[in-house]
Amino acid sequence: DTEVTQTPKHLVMGMTNKKSLKCEQHMGHRAMYWYKQKAKKPPELMFVYSYEKLSINESVPSRFSPECPNSSLLNLHLHALQPEDSALYLCASSQDRTGNSPLHFGNGTRLTVT
Amino acid sequence: GDSVTQMEGPVTLSEEAFLTINCTYTATGYPSLFWYVQYPGEGLQLLLKATKADDKGSNKGFEATYRKETTSFHLEKGSVQVSDSAVYFCVLRDSGAGSYQLTFGKGTKLSVIP
Repeated sequence: DTEVTQTPKHLVMGMTNKKSLKCEQHMGHRAMYWYKQKAKKPPELMFVYSYEKLSINESVPSRFSPECPNSSLLNLHLHALQPEDSALYLCASSQDRTGNSPLHFGNGTRLTVT
Repeated sequence: GDSVTQMEGPVTLSEEAFLTINCTYTATGYPSLFWYVQYPGEGLQLLLKATKADDKGSNKGFEATYRKETTSFHLEKGSVQVSDSAVYFCVLRDSGAGSYQLTFGKGTKLSVIP
């Protein structure tokens, strides 16, 4: 069982919809991440939060808006997406910012934009 | 910059066969190395890790040794099972605080047939 919980598991949305992806962890981790994974590719980093502050935005389009309400929760708000944004969106967390702290991933949200 | 090169596969083995997935890396600092596994329809799971030279990570019969002299971290298992069928990612995380970035290999798809 994964210790990082993501909801929903699947999401289908139109290009004019607004939706949110949610992520939760209760391991006391202070860094949380959003990744995007296309089929047969490794994950690509989108955002990093450290101690509830946005630390990294990998030049992600503004139609993706992250939010970290508290140390256990991470949201990704979606608006006016394009079909090419269809992918598996993975949330992850790590204990801290050091290099030997592994990331723990959730099972992802499979997003389809129609 | 950092990079990870792993055999891309796909790799098809019979049950109980010996597995090796090669992984080599380049890094500017002193990285930690990880193997993650992704089963169909799921997120990434940490399989094993090594944080310094000559460390051996092991889990579920899988092993990998951090070889600084050959900049390698090859994954091995003595006897694979059908349930090991998945995509395996070799991952590098550079050392030091603020080292958010993971550098992924392209992934190796393993299929184990009965």
